[in-house]
Amino acid sequence: GDSVTQMEGPVTLSEEAFLTINCTYTATGYPSLFWYVQYPGEGLQLLLKATKADDKGSNKGFEATYRKETTSFHLEKGSVQVSDSAVYFCALSGNTGRRALTFGSGTRLQVQP
Amino acid sequence: GAGVSQSPSNKVTEKGKDVELRCDPISGHTALYWYRQSLGQGLEFLIYFQGNSAPDKSGLPSDRFSAERTGGSVSTLTIQRTQQEDSAVYLCASSPARTGAPVEQYFGPGTRLTVT
Repeated sequence: GDSVTQMEGPVTLSEEAFLTINCTYTATGYPSLFWYVQYPGEGLQLLLKATKADDKGSNKGFEATYRKETTSFHLEKGSVQVSDSAVYFCALSGNTGRRALTFGSGTRLQVQP
Repeated sequence: GAGVSQSPSNKVTEKGKDVELRCDPISGHTALYWYRQSLGQGLEFLIYFQGNSAPDKSGLPSDRFSAERTGGSVSTLTIQRTQQEDSAVYLCASSPARTGAPVEQYFGPGTRLTVT
């Protein structure tokens, strides 16, 4: 079945550091890929998405590129802020049928001032 | 506009009791999902409703779990004879109907269930 693997956390960075959170996936067909974020005390929010190979999703300074050849969707940000501290989930969804999300285990990011 | 709402926000119950969790999706969204977020299993899909079609129950972990959606809107997830391993945060999400690539799922704040 489909699965998503993302790097273990927590990831601790200083403000303005470069962020990479690795995500790889296994799926049949050509899924859509997502990054969701969960800020402390809040619900899951969509951060960005990509629906086909070589698409780049971007939002709030975060970017991720759908790499079919490496089955990856790594999340990057050039300069993190304290307000980026949250748990980040990589996820995939098929493009037909129920389109339920398959999530990775989540990576906690802590940004220190 | 109003987002997805869930109630109660927290529920503590004794082992063996039944519980009902409620989800109000965004108005007009025809797709509704239940997920479970637990320490041991991460985020996992439970059940999917699309309009008036029969639900996809393939993610329900046991026959103690059931869900219904009345009038294509509000959904209730019922857990019978709760066990300690049912302790988790239960998340509801809704999405507008679309063909082709999936669109965003909007998540509610969740119900934290603790079984003592």
